[in-house]
Amino acid sequence: ETGVTQSPTHLIKTRGQQVTLRCSSQSGHNTVSWYQQALGQGPQFIFQYYREEENGRGNFPPRFSGLQFPNYSSELNVNALELDDSALYLCASSLEPLASSTDTQYFGPGTRLTVL
Amino acid sequence: GNSVTQMEGPVTLSEEAFLTINCTYTATGYPSLFWYVQYPGEGLQLLLKATKADDKGSNKGFEATYRKETTSFHLEKGSVQVSDSAVYFCALSPNSGSARQLTFGSGTQLTVLP
Repeated sequence: ETGVTQSPTHLIKTRGQQVTLRCSSQSGHNTVSWYQQALGQGPQFIFQYYREEENGRGNFPPRFSGLQFPNYSSELNVNALELDDSALYLCASSLEPLASSTDTQYFGPGTRLTVL
Repeated sequence: GNSVTQMEGPVTLSEEAFLTINCTYTATGYPSLFWYVQYPGEGLQLLLKATKADDKGSNKGFEATYRKETTSFHLEKGSVQVSDSAVYFCALSPNSGSARQLTFGSGTQLTVLP
């Protein structure tokens, strides 16, 4: 069973640029959630994709957008980068949107984004 | 809205000491509760969970009991090891709504000294 993978591991961008982060979900999982973890903080929910449709969104501006592909892998795109976007971006996959008490989100190792 | 409050760290203990990390939550209804652990340079790993009141989650010697009356889910371990050094996050997930996303606390850094 393949776990959740993310790429790249690290990324450095400058303010105003655009970035795309990628996530491959665990085998058999059809739901992907993205979280932003600022240094010293807990992860904050960005959005979730279920069967290629956005299924919920946290308190993030529209310049944060995403996609999910037919193989259930996913992308997070951030436009017009700001200094405060510097964070660890985590992807988590699950079989369904935690619809039952047995469901669990499995996290990838994250992508560390630094905005200069 | 939903929120999770964890005891502030960092926490430093000697090996074989008893560990408690406090966690309280605010949520509508009866959420599922989780503890995740994050080792240096890694993503989050699920440590244990409980899905209804009075449930006890346990794993690797760690335990936490879902207390509805005090809205708490404190993490305990009877004898910590150096390998337990990590950041611990308490989290909740609502049992209604479409996304049922996780809401996390701010994390507690645990360092265990030999």
